Amino acid sequence: DQQVKQNSPSLSVQEGRISILNCDYTNSMFDYFLWYKKYPAEGPTFLISISSIKDKNEDGRFTVFLNKSAKHLSLHIVPSQPGDSAVYFCAASDPDKLIFGTGTRLQVFP
Amino acid sequence: KAGVTQTPRYLIKTRGQQVTLSCSPISGHRSVSWYQQTPGQGLQFLFEYFSETQRNKGNFPGRFSGRQFSNSRSEMNVSTLELGDSALYLCASSSTLGQGTEAFFGQGTRLTVV
Repeated sequence: DQQVKQNSPSLSVQEGRISILNCDYTNSMFDYFLWYKKYPAEGPTFLISISSIKDKNEDGRFTVFLNKSAKHLSLHIVPSQPGDSAVYFCAASDPDKLIFGTGTRLQVFP
Repeated sequence: KAGVTQTPRYLIKTRGQQVTLSCSPISGHRSVSWYQQTPGQGLQFLFEYFSETQRNKGNFPGRFSGRQFSNSRSEMNVSTLELGDSALYLCASSSTLGQGTEAFFGQGTRLTVV
């Protein structure tokens, strides 16, 4: 039973455009969410997080939006760059463990 | 500050054997978690240790076990290996438990069971 879902396994975006990665969760008790980026042959690296007391958090080109009523969050990358090409994982804090989605592979092409 | 170190990076074992993977967390971090990554399944939580105590365990069979030492280094052991255990095993460390704590991952150990 997947508590955190990323329904798009892949996304292809042109350089300079916006990338929007989506994530849905089922447990309304989750109140802290994180996004990780993973390159091949490397471990995931932390990108950005959001607490349920907020609906938006920004860090440079990365913005995460949280819609608690819809149990949905999204990661916006603007502008997208080729170096952003990676697999992105959404995770919910449970709180002593992270529950991950299955990931979305983002490809940014010139 | 050194990151999370996992050894070995790659491992090939045969069915029925056992394997031990090692993780050295970031200095000062007392929480170590283990995850299994397989294609299409994302990262599945195995267990979490804090100050040598297992605080949380995922839905994996008893063949998967772990421990943490007084210096916070952790090992995980898989006995009676099965083909389906082939995966990338990731270790993550964090300074504390709980909300608002980001976890830092190692590069992982790629285990292949043949």
